[in-house]
Amino acid sequence: ELKVEQNPLFLSMQEGKNYTIYCNYSTTSDRLYWYRQDPGKSLESLFVLLSNGAVKQEGRLMASLDTKARLSTLHITAAVHDLSATYFCAVIPNAGGTSYGKLTFGQGTILTVHP
Amino acid sequence: ETGVTQSPTHLIKTRGQQVTLRCSSQSGHNTVSWYQQALGQGPQFIFQYYREEENGRGNFPPRFSGLQFPNYSSELNVNALELDDSALYLCASSLLGGSYGYTFGSGTRLTVV
Repeated sequence: ELKVEQNPLFLSMQEGKNYTIYCNYSTTSDRLYWYRQDPGKSLESLFVLLSNGAVKQEGRLMASLDTKARLSTLHITAAVHDLSATYFCAVIPNAGGTSYGKLTFGQGTILTVHP
Repeated sequence: ETGVTQSPTHLIKTRGQQVTLRCSSQSGHNTVSWYQQALGQGPQFIFQYYREEENGRGNFPPRFSGLQFPNYSSELNVNALELDDSALYLCASSLLGGSYGYTFGSGTRLTVV
């Protein structure tokens, strides 16, 4: 059974600082997704990573995927308060067929950015 | 281009009752999947529909069932509601395979009392 683990689960950052959230998964996959969720809201898609070595950047966030290490990172640069939210990574295994659409999510990382 | 819409936004039901939740997929998407998110946890996959047939299921009992219609919209039905069914139910639409990502709706908050 696919397991997806994020760390840290809680992250308190000062504005202007950098930090990285890690997402490890237990089975072969080259499809990994990052989402943001604000309290009481739905999931907002941040990044879709579909190959080994994929790197994508949007504003202060950058995500990468290492399929050999089964690891994705979400790097935050010069954090601002607006980035406060819960961040999830989600993985689809390479089993094909009925695994399509079966996103397995990590536990989520609750990020708080304070002055 | 419209996003994924879900209805209703909130619902309160009594234990033992049945509930139907609805989802309209994003324009151009042919696949719909449903997730249950309990408070403080990540979403859990319930099932996916493609071409009006169930195309993958998570660890949920048969009292969770669904439909997909020719216009790709979908319903989630839950029979014999239990207190533990209280959660945020999220619908996601995509093209099969998810190469362009999954777009989530705003969810239905179900409370079972």
